[in-house]
Amino acid sequence: DTTVKQNPRYKLARVGKPVNLICSQTMNHDTMYWYQKKPNQAPKLLLFYYDKILNREADTFEKFQSSRPNNSFCSLYIGSAGLEYSAMYLCASSRARGSQNTLYFGAGTRLSVL
Amino acid sequence: GDQVEQSPSALSLHEGTGSALRCNFTTTMRAVQWFQQNSRGSLINLFYLASGTKENGRLKSTFNSKESYSTLHIRDAQLEDSGTYFCAAAYNYAQGLTFGLGTRVSVFP
Repeated sequence: DTTVKQNPRYKLARVGKPVNLICSQTMNHDTMYWYQKKPNQAPKLLLFYYDKILNREADTFEKFQSSRPNNSFCSLYIGSAGLEYSAMYLCASSRARGSQNTLYFGAGTRLSVL
Repeated sequence: GDQVEQSPSALSLHEGTGSALRCNFTTTMRAVQWFQQNSRGSLINLFYLASGTKENGRLKSTFNSKESYSTLHIRDAQLEDSGTYFCAAAYNYAQGLTFGLGTRVSVFP
């Protein structure tokens, strides 16, 4: 099973309110990633967990937080949503060992901030 | 991103024909992955290559790390091949992938 599951599929949020997105995988992958995808733009890496170590990209460091309570689950947290956060959020996981590091993506959560 | 340059940005194909998509890298990459974005916006894994060539059905991909490019060939294009194709590359195995801007492929009857 190479499924990465994301909940919810669609999310509406108000400006200034928090948002929490959930991702899970049962492949026992070491690494879990969160990407942001906006129309006509490349998917942008926000952060990733390698085991229990969180790595956040420098330009999004203060905008997103994450937690990984166990190997299977990873969340993406926005403390105060702004209009610019409207996007598709894609979770991915990989084995991250050796030369085989295929990323498997979930179906995404489409966030609309109003 | 700047490190991954995809071309062309858009491609129109008649059913049954073929073409190639290309990614050029501005730095040495260790691996490349190709995805097709489906109508719902999620990314479907097509190939992962650390080197050489892989083939799956009507799709074939090559990664030349020394010359810093990768290609995705589509042959005998079908209507369901329409969509945006992304290449993404890793300069080390511990980091996430850096994506190109994608190639929008449209297949016409």
